[in-house]
Amino acid sequence: EDQVTQSPEALRLQEGESSSLNCSYTVSGLRGLFWYRQDPGKGPEFLFTLYSAGEEKEKERLKATLTKKESFLHITAPKPEDSATYLCAVQVGGGYQKVTFGTGTKLQVIP
Amino acid sequence: GAVVSQHPSWVICKSGTSVKIECRSLDFQATTMFWYRQFPKQSLMLMATSNEGSKATYEQGVEKDKFLINHASLTLSTLTVTSAHPEDSSFYICSAPSPGGSSYEQYFGPGTRLTVT
Repeated sequence: EDQVTQSPEALRLQEGESSSLNCSYTVSGLRGLFWYRQDPGKGPEFLFTLYSAGEEKEKERLKATLTKKESFLHITAPKPEDSATYLCAVQVGGGYQKVTFGTGTKLQVIP
Repeated sequence: GAVVSQHPSWVICKSGTSVKIECRSLDFQATTMFWYRQFPKQSLMLMATSNEGSKATYEQGVEKDKFLINHASLTLSTLTVTSAHPEDSSFYICSAPSPGGSSYEQYFGPGTRLTVT
């Protein structure tokens, strides 16, 4: 069974204090790994897709990396507006197959 | 990016009644849409895959007679919660795959908060 585990469950950072969120996965035939940001009471907002080990993608203060077993979301010099729950999800198989989500990391950035 | 809308954004209903939630792809066509449920402080759980012109595919443990899905057009999927009970209170979110290309990204709607009293 496909499994996605995120850690930590919650993370509290001072503004400017860089850190990383982890997403470890156990799947057969990874098609893609996704990072989403979810604000309270809203639907997830797409951030990145990673397809193969060694791939990296960046967007503003966020950088996502992928290995064969896990992905990291690095947050550099975070700001309070980066506070949200970050969700990792994996997709296996071809076509529009279902996506399995992790439980998320709730990030709080304190001014 | 592609935009997915949901209506209503929140709804309160009495136990035993039915509630319909709409999911629309605003600027693209979606032959497939997904319905998720999210309980407080939990992640998204896929309920079913909605297919335009055919029956929906439900995940294990999801009652298809309780959660009726209709994908009537290439831009609209509906989820009807029939005979709702308080335990059905949750945040329901739909998504559609990114249109075209090789991307498997999904674009999510803003969600619908259902409260059953």
